[in-house]
Amino acid sequence: SYELTQPPSVSVSPGQAASITCSGDHLGDRYVCWYQQKPGQSPVLVIYQDFRRPSGIPERFSGSNSGNTATLTISDTQTVDEADYYCLAWDTTTLIFGGGTKLTVL
Amino acid sequence: QVQLLESGPGLVKASQTLSLTCTVSGGSISSGTYYWSWIRQHPGKGLEWIANINHRGATYHNPPLKRRVNLTIDTSKNLFSLKLSSVTAADSAVYYCARVLNSREGVDVWGPGTTVTVSS
Repeated sequence: SYELTQPPSVSVSPGQAASITCSGDHLGDRYVCWYQQKPGQSPVLVIYQDFRRPSGIPERFSGSNSGNTATLTISDTQTVDEADYYCLAWDTTTLIFGGGTKLTVL
Repeated sequence: QVQLLESGPGLVKASQTLSLTCTVSGGSISSGTYYWSWIRQHPGKGLEWIANINHRGATYHNPPLKRRVNLTIDTSKNLFSLKLSSVTAADSAVYYCARVLNSREGVDVWGPGTTVTVSS
């Protein structure tokens, strides 16, 4: 079965850029979405179709996908960005989530 | 603005069937544009997709759960439902219903989630 691998944790200082990766076999051939989840809340879509931002998502969120790796980048990271982040891709008719990355801003 | 709301028992006994309903408001579940999905999250863990259903009742399952999962849709009541049979403590989780667009746009609307605990 298809798997997506994320680092368990990433740390960043406020104002710096944070990059969270999602790896899978030929992932660049699939579309990737990214979700932000804060404690006790439902996930929120922050990136779809590899790099597109939904309405209301700050411009500091960006995405890319090539080869075997998709990357979510948060530029000028703010304390409010501290959360868990999950990547999502489809494998034919099934949805596959990455294991999640806890982003710490300190 | 479409909203989803999960409902159902918060406590289920082991070996019994977990039953949850997702009521959709602010939009029609009959739209052929979307899939309707169940996703769960074990305590302190990541997201696990369970299954999708479309407006015609066609279903798509996560293979490890397929044998125990039954999804139905009621377009007259604008809701869809999940039944998970033979539950164990490993099925204790927060269960989310969600709207899925397609492989490009993914899951775009989530319910608030409902916590289900399986007791022995």
